[in-house]
Amino acid sequence: AQSVTQLGSHVSVSEGALVLLRCNYSSSVPPYLFWYVQYPNQGLQLLLKYTSAATLVKGINGFEAEFKKSETSFHLTKPSAHMSDAAEYFCAVSKGNFGNEKLTFGTGTRLTIIP
Amino acid sequence: EADIYQTPRYLVIGTGKKITLECSQTMGHDKMYWYQQDPGMELHLIHYSYGVNSTEKGDLSSESTVSRIRTEHFPLTLESARPSHTSQYLCASNPSGGAHEQFFGPGTRLTVL
Repeated sequence: AQSVTQLGSHVSVSEGALVLLRCNYSSSVPPYLFWYVQYPNQGLQLLLKYTSAATLVKGINGFEAEFKKSETSFHLTKPSAHMSDAAEYFCAVSKGNFGNEKLTFGTGTRLTIIP
Repeated sequence: EADIYQTPRYLVIGTGKKITLECSQTMGHDKMYWYQQDPGMELHLIHYSYGVNSTEKGDLSSESTVSRIRTEHFPLTLESARPSHTSQYLCASNPSGGAHEQFFGPGTRLTVL
């Protein structure tokens, strides 16, 4: 079975500071990994995805994530936080093979930006 | 931009009522999903469909039912709503194969009194 662990249910950073949201996965097969963002009263929006190509993945809004197989991690980073980054962030994993594309989500990390 | 729609966005209803939450997508995706999400919590898959006339139960047991008569439409029905059904319901879709990212609708926030 596959699973995702997000360390830290709440993260606060100052505006302009580095954002680091942690995600570790467990999967019996090479995974596909995703980061989604959710703003209040909205659905989820894809930030970026890893699909076994480049291990450093760049996404929207200046976010990026690095797939590290040895550490089974897929941490999300952004060099300089902006007030508009305040939201809930979810890491997700799928097995990726045809017919088995269901996503398993982490419990989410709420990011707060301090002015 | 993904074109996946959910109606209503907000619904407050009394116990025992039958309700249907609508989800439609205009992208021609084969696969569609329903998730349940309590405030500040993770998403739990309650139903999914891999095509017309295909429906499966997800990882979280739910008293709701779904149907998939048309590719673009995946409604969720609760025959008799209870306060324990109060939650946010998110619909998603993706095409077959490829990188499997799912596109999400805006959600329906259901409150059962």
